[in-house]
Amino acid sequence: DTGVSQNPRHKITKRGQNVTFRCDPISEHNRLYWYRQTLGQGPEFLTYFQNEAQLEKSRLLSDRFSAERPKGSFSTLEIQRTEQGDSAMYLCASQAGGSYNEQFFGPGTRLTVL
Amino acid sequence: AQTVTQSQPEMSVQEAETVTLSCTYDTSENNYYLFWYKQPPSRQMILVIRQEAYKQQNATENRFSVNFQKAAKSFSLKISDSQLGDTAMYFCAFMKLGNAGKSTFGDGTTLTVKP
Repeated sequence: DTGVSQNPRHKITKRGQNVTFRCDPISEHNRLYWYRQTLGQGPEFLTYFQNEAQLEKSRLLSDRFSAERPKGSFSTLEIQRTEQGDSAMYLCASQAGGSYNEQFFGPGTRLTVL
Repeated sequence: AQTVTQSQPEMSVQEAETVTLSCTYDTSENNYYLFWYKQPPSRQMILVIRQEAYKQQNATENRFSVNFQKAAKSFSLKISDSQLGDTAMYFCAFMKLGNAGKSTFGDGTTLTVKP
């Protein structure tokens, strides 16, 4: 399977703990996006990378959130000191070339903060 | 800021029938793209169809077509000959030209195709 993969698929944590999610994009896709999707709503943009450079971050991405894409391949999204409001589905998407090209989404990581 | 509104939280259609999902958006931009995505239950989101705002001709992909009304800021999706596999949540999305692929999504319409 050469699609976008995300791990873990589900994560349950206690408030205050740190969590890290991983996204493996389609090989050679230079752009990678992170979105957050809460129940009953559409995805909201969090941040994106072009190769290893993080080019933009949404105001939704508080200081507790950090994302990396160290070698321009896989990416990680870390949430420190999780809060119950962080409970959501975190989606990753990758894209080749220009902005108009199709974004391919991963299955998401569902985070539950107790 | 752009907003995307999908006014139908849930819809249903009989297999083989035609259904239209509504989407309106608000923007002051003139150059942008519009998309419809499908998110089947417990599966990945996939692109269904896309439309460039400068093109007057409505996009078509097999059984899926759009009715793009730029002046009215409306972008509806028509699914013809509905199939059970079309059951999913459908999201309308807006992307400003030059906005590096960042899309603004609506809150979705859950479509159920009944046998």
